[in-house]
Amino acid sequence: DADVTQTPRNRITKTGKRIMLECSQTKGHDRMYWYRQDPGLGLRLIYYSFDVKDINKGEISDGYSVSRQAQAKFSLSLESAIPNQTALYFCATSSGGSYNEQFFGPGTRLTVL
Amino acid sequence: GESVGLHLPTLSVQEGDNSIINCAYSNSASDYFIWYKQESGKGPQFIIDIRSNMDKRQGQRVTVLLNKTVKHLSLQIAATQPGDSAVYFCAETNAGGTSYGKLTFGQGTILTVHP
Repeated sequence: DADVTQTPRNRITKTGKRIMLECSQTKGHDRMYWYRQDPGLGLRLIYYSFDVKDINKGEISDGYSVSRQAQAKFSLSLESAIPNQTALYFCATSSGGSYNEQFFGPGTRLTVL
Repeated sequence: GESVGLHLPTLSVQEGDNSIINCAYSNSASDYFIWYKQESGKGPQFIIDIRSNMDKRQGQRVTVLLNKTVKHLSLQIAATQPGDSAVYFCAETNAGGTSYGKLTFGQGTILTVHP
C-alpha cells in the first residue's frame, strides 16, 4: 500500500465551484505539505503544516485554504475555483528534524473549466 | 542544462552512457539539497541528498556534486538505463535556518534514454 495517498486522482470542475483535495499518510510523519506543479515551473509550495496545530502559508497560498484534521490527514480546498488553478497538485510528508527528504503522493490532476 | 524560462531543459542519451544533469540554485544560505526523479503520472521520488558540508555524495549508480562557490549542483547517473527516463528536479532548503523543512524546487530537466 502507498504511504502517501491522494484523493481524487483526477477532477474536472467548473469555475466558482468549491473543491477539496485530500491527503492521507501512513508514515507517521508530523510534517505535511501541499504543492502545485505547472508545466515548466517545477513544484511550488502552497501550504505546509509541521503538526496538527501548525499551519503556514507557502509561496502561493492565495485562493487556497487547508485543514489538518489529524496527524495523518491534510486537505487542500479551493473555495471558488478559477481556470488558472488548473494544475497537478501534490501532497508530501516528512519526519521532524531539518535534514529529511519529503515523500510525495501520486498527485491529483485538477482541471477548472 | 540550465533553466531557460518556461521550457524544460532536456538531455538525451544512449543506454549505457553516463548522464549529467545540472542545477543552479539561488539561495547562498541553502545548506541541504535533494534530487528527485519524477516519472510520468507519478509524484517525485527521492534519489539522493547532500548537505552543504560535503562536496560529493555517492549512491547506487548516482553521484551528486555540490559546488557552493558557484551555487551549482549536479547529478551524475552511471550506465543510464531506459528506466531512468524521467524529469529530474533539484530542491534546496536552508535546513539549519528559518526555512527548515521548506523545499524550493528547480524547474526540472527531462532525461530521455534511447535503447
